[in-house]
Amino acid sequence: DQQVKQNSPSLSVQEGRISILNCDYTNSMFDYFLWYKKYPAEGPTFLISISSIKDKNEDGRFTVFLNKSAKHLSLHIVPSQPGDSAVYFCAASLVHTGANSKLTFGKGITLSVRP
Amino acid sequence: ETGVTQTPRHLVMGMTNKKSLKCEQHLGHNAMYWYKQSAKKPLELMFVYSLEERVENNSVPSRFSPECPNSSHLFLHLHTLQPEDSALYLCASSQSPGGNSPLHFGNGTRLTVT
Repeated sequence: DQQVKQNSPSLSVQEGRISILNCDYTNSMFDYFLWYKKYPAEGPTFLISISSIKDKNEDGRFTVFLNKSAKHLSLHIVPSQPGDSAVYFCAASLVHTGANSKLTFGKGITLSVRP
Repeated sequence: ETGVTQTPRHLVMGMTNKKSLKCEQHLGHNAMYWYKQSAKKPLELMFVYSLEERVENNSVPSRFSPECPNSSHLFLHLHTLQPEDSALYLCASSQSPGGNSPLHFGNGTRLTVT
């Protein structure tokens, strides 16, 4: 039973346009969400996070939006660059459970940014 | 050297072999993790160590045996593996074991069991 779902396996966008990567979750108790990016032959790297007390967090070209009622979050990248081409993982955790909370990951979505 | 380093990058082993994966972090973090990434599956947490004490064992078969001799080093000892254990094994570290502490991953060990 997958608690974090990234239903679209891939996304292709033109350089300079906006990339919108979606993520849905089923556990309403999740209270912290993170996005990771992974290039081939490398480990995932942390990109941006958001607490459930917020609905938006922005860091440069990257913005994460959280809609708690819909149990949905999205990562917006604007403008998209060819170097953004990678696999993006959404992850969620139960921070309120303390030190033993752990991340639940989605399967990832492959973003391709066309020059 | 900085970050999280994993060795070897690639490993091919037979089902009767014994091998070990090594992970070292140079970030001064207090928590270390082993994750498994199989094809078309989410990252699966295997083990968590906090200050060298195992705090999570996510129903992993006993043919996988972790060892954390100090806060900078983590090993995963492998023996009598099955072909379905072939996967990418990722080590990670974080400041604390809490879920809001971002993970720093190594580049992984690609394991093939023949």
